Amino acid sequence: GESVGLHLPTLSVQEGDNSIINCAYSNSASDYFIWYKQESGKGPQFIIDIRSNMDKRQGQRVTVLLNKTVKHLSLQIAATQPGDSAVYFCAENIGAAGNKLTFGGGTRVLVKP
Amino acid sequence: GAGVSQSPSNKVTEKGKDVELRCDPISGHTALYWYRQSLGQGLEFLIYFQGNSAPDKSGLPSDRFSAERTGGSVSTLTIQRTQQEDSAVYLCASSPMTGLGETQYFGPGTRLLVL
Repeated sequence: GESVGLHLPTLSVQEGDNSIINCAYSNSASDYFIWYKQESGKGPQFIIDIRSNMDKRQGQRVTVLLNKTVKHLSLQIAATQPGDSAVYFCAENIGAAGNKLTFGGGTRVLVKP
Repeated sequence: GAGVSQSPSNKVTEKGKDVELRCDPISGHTALYWYRQSLGQGLEFLIYFQGNSAPDKSGLPSDRFSAERTGGSVSTLTIQRTQQEDSAVYLCASSPMTGLGETQYFGPGTRLLVL
């Protein structure tokens, strides 16, 4: 899918630096959170997830932090590479509401060589 | 292995015409989801299937939108009497089962343009 358009917040980062992408979620009942990466012309690609009973989870070069007190989620990308340039979406799910994901508006990450 | 596939990749239609969008989920995935991504917006949930049943149709924007799934596999999203505001990318996802923590894997989407 084409990434959303002209008014996305954009994070410009130098290749090799760390990136931090933030997301505020709305529903205190949400109990599962996911980060997706979407490159131009493609569908969203799963990066990492976290359940509400955790506050941190690490993957390969990525870390997700969850602060339920302020309903805030962040994605940290270590040693950002040109291939990390994409739009990043957070999504939340309320287990009691089935598997419907509610997505945030997205952040565009531009990696400068 | 094969991922979620969608067809057509692009569809241009005239206002008032009907369109059908197809989704082939990952083999063996029992849950299938449709989302819509409009320009300048995030992804918006439309409907999901567990097997051939649709427990949650709450995201369908109007009665012009309908979806079905047969054989627990392929799904078709139909938009009748298309309007210009229906122009968007329609994304399909599947997961092995429904339930908290089941990762949804997305297809490449169908770009729909209503003239």
